[in-house]
Amino acid sequence: RKEVEQDPGPFNVPEGATVAFNCTYSNSASQSFFWYRQDCRKEPKLLMSVYSSGNEDGRFTAQLNRASQYISLLIRDSKLSDSATYLCVVNTNAGKSTFGDGTTLTVKP
Amino acid sequence: ETGVTQTPRHLVMGMTNKKSLKCEQHLGHNAMYWYKQSAKKPLELMFVYNFKEQTENNSVPSRFSPECPNSSHLFLHLHTLQPEDSALYLCASRPGNPNTGELFFGEGSRLTVL
Repeated sequence: RKEVEQDPGPFNVPEGATVAFNCTYSNSASQSFFWYRQDCRKEPKLLMSVYSSGNEDGRFTAQLNRASQYISLLIRDSKLSDSATYLCVVNTNAGKSTFGDGTTLTVKP
Repeated sequence: ETGVTQTPRHLVMGMTNKKSLKCEQHLGHNAMYWYKQSAKKPLELMFVYNFKEQTENNSVPSRFSPECPNSSHLFLHLHTLQPEDSALYLCASRPGNPNTGELFFGEGSRLTVL
């Protein structure tokens, strides 16, 4: 079993749609959680950190459920510019960050 | 501009060549990383350095040799590579406590092995 598993995707949605991605992790001792965005042939960039209380940044909402060991990302009112691969990242210990395989989102006009 | 600079951005090398990738971070971070990303595959952690000391080698073949002379610089020395080593090599750094901070990535060095 992979340490971090994401929805396989791809997700193809129309502009304005709401889309949700899920991610599960296996190490209960994981300490911090993030969503990164990676555009084609570019480096990953931090989208948002994920906190137990949930956090929102504009159209993006991230949730963490420690009991069930899953993380979610909700994107509302999708824009064409949201098209990218979204990576779930879990920090375990000794400075190790484990990446999920990524979920590709394509937003169409 | 993320504060993490990688050179060269593109590299083409033969299997018998020796080359090096360089990473420099201007963020005062204490941890630095090498990741490999092959086409349509997830990121694979290669090496981790904390305060210049290697803390993780993720079963990387010896044809990849990392070097971390100080907390700001990280190298990946390449020799006798194989075509399947062609990939995007990403350097990243992390501030403070290595267990909790976000990773800051460089733009990557795209390597092609002929």
